Amino acid sequence: KNEVEQSPQNLTAQEGEFITINCSYSVGISALHWLQQHPGGGIVSLFMLSSGKKKHGRLIATINIQEKHSSLHITASHPRDSAVYICAVRRGNTPLVFGKGTRLSVIA
Amino acid sequence: DAGITQSPRHKVTETGTPVTLRCHQTENHRYMYWYRQDPGHGLRLIHYSYGVKDTDKGEVSDGYSVSRSKTEDFLLTLESATSSQTSVYFCAIRADREDNSPLHFGNGTRLTVT
Repeated sequence: KNEVEQSPQNLTAQEGEFITINCSYSVGISALHWLQQHPGGGIVSLFMLSSGKKKHGRLIATINIQEKHSSLHITASHPRDSAVYICAVRRGNTPLVFGKGTRLSVIA
Repeated sequence: DAGITQSPRHKVTETGTPVTLRCHQTENHRYMYWYRQDPGHGLRLIHYSYGVKDTDKGEVSDGYSVSRSKTEDFLLTLESATSSQTSVYFCAIRADREDNSPLHFGNGTRLTVT
């Protein structure tokens, strides 16, 4: 079973700031997921990564397999980005193991 | 959005009573999951299903049972609810076991056991 650590636990930013959320894991994985949970509770899948980098709009996710580390970046942050961001990893065909999440608040 | 519906959305029940939560999907996805979410913990897997009548335990399965008699429905049952089962429960579905298939979540069921 992998341990998934996210940092920071909580993050407050001013609108427009560049934001980085980190995820580290302890053993080799086959894929890493980033998810977003809004204050209303709904959870949405943002990215699935096994290598390199993916971009969608203002969101960028990177993964370094050798370092066992992934980052989620948000450019030009906006109050609507306020949410909990969750990292999850999969090893082989086992079910996902989730981090505890990073709570982001973006202030106008 | 993926067609996944959880019911009920909120429930308050007393210790010792049975409770069944329902997850219904219209996507014909093979894999279905039940998670619980608690403060200080990540989402934790309770049970999952990889087909009709095919289920397996997750990391926190004690006190829970599941059934999947048809593709679209995955039921989670607490035979005798305890206060430690107060939580928010999420159902998720996945088309394919492979990693190129995203996980889609329901909106959650908030269960309070008094």
